[in-house]
Amino acid sequence: QVQLVESGGGVVQPGRSLGLSCAASGFTFSTTKYAMHWVRQAPGKGLEWVAVISDDGSDKYYADSVKGRFTVSRDNSKNTLYLQMNSLRAEDTAVYYCARDRPGNGAFDIWGQGTMVTVSS
Amino acid sequence: EIVLTQSPGTLSLSPGERATLSCRASQSVSSNYLAWYQQRPGQAPRLLIYGASSRATGIPDRFSGSGSGTDFTLTISRLEPEDFAVYYCQQYGTSPMYTFGQGTKLEIK
Repeated sequence: QVQLVESGGGVVQPGRSLGLSCAASGFTFSTTKYAMHWVRQAPGKGLEWVAVISDDGSDKYYADSVKGRFTVSRDNSKNTLYLQMNSLRAEDTAVYYCARDRPGNGAFDIWGQGTMVTVSS
Repeated sequence: EIVLTQSPGTLSLSPGERATLSCRASQSVSSNYLAWYQQRPGQAPRLLIYGASSRATGIPDRFSGSGSGTDFTLTISRLEPEDFAVYYCQQYGTSPMYTFGQGTKLEIK
């Protein structure tokens, strides 16, 4: 079945870096229509969009809150999405979800189960 | 940036009742780009409605979406026990920019 599985979360000190991965299965990850997103949710809070990458990886966009610190990438040969997070802050503490873009609607039609990132000294 | 405001913050109803959730945008949103999600405790969000009124795959027909411009509504015609959850609206705009409402918690009365 269509599935996204995140990994790489953990506890990290402020100012340090962490990388997340999202493994896709059950659909053609590299098809020319599936952009991919990262969305996060701080403990007890709502959803916040973080970043999007186009199907071929040529276009990337970020929320202002992470611009210049986070980098989204993908390896279509490995069916994997990545999020490199640098200069982490306490306010980056959240569950990070990867999600598939529903072409033409800007909606997120498939979500992973999420991976927790805690930024704390 | 378009801000989405959901109301009410919490809605207390009983199984079998009808639920009406509101999402108001600070500027006009294309109906193509308005979605609704359900999030149960400890789970990832699930897409319910896209394009303001189209049900996602596998979503029961008791869920329906409507609206245009700045006012959108999610209606659950007859609440089932599994429907008690948090609901978010979301829009896609230029830049590109994706924003979510703050959520409506639907709780059992």
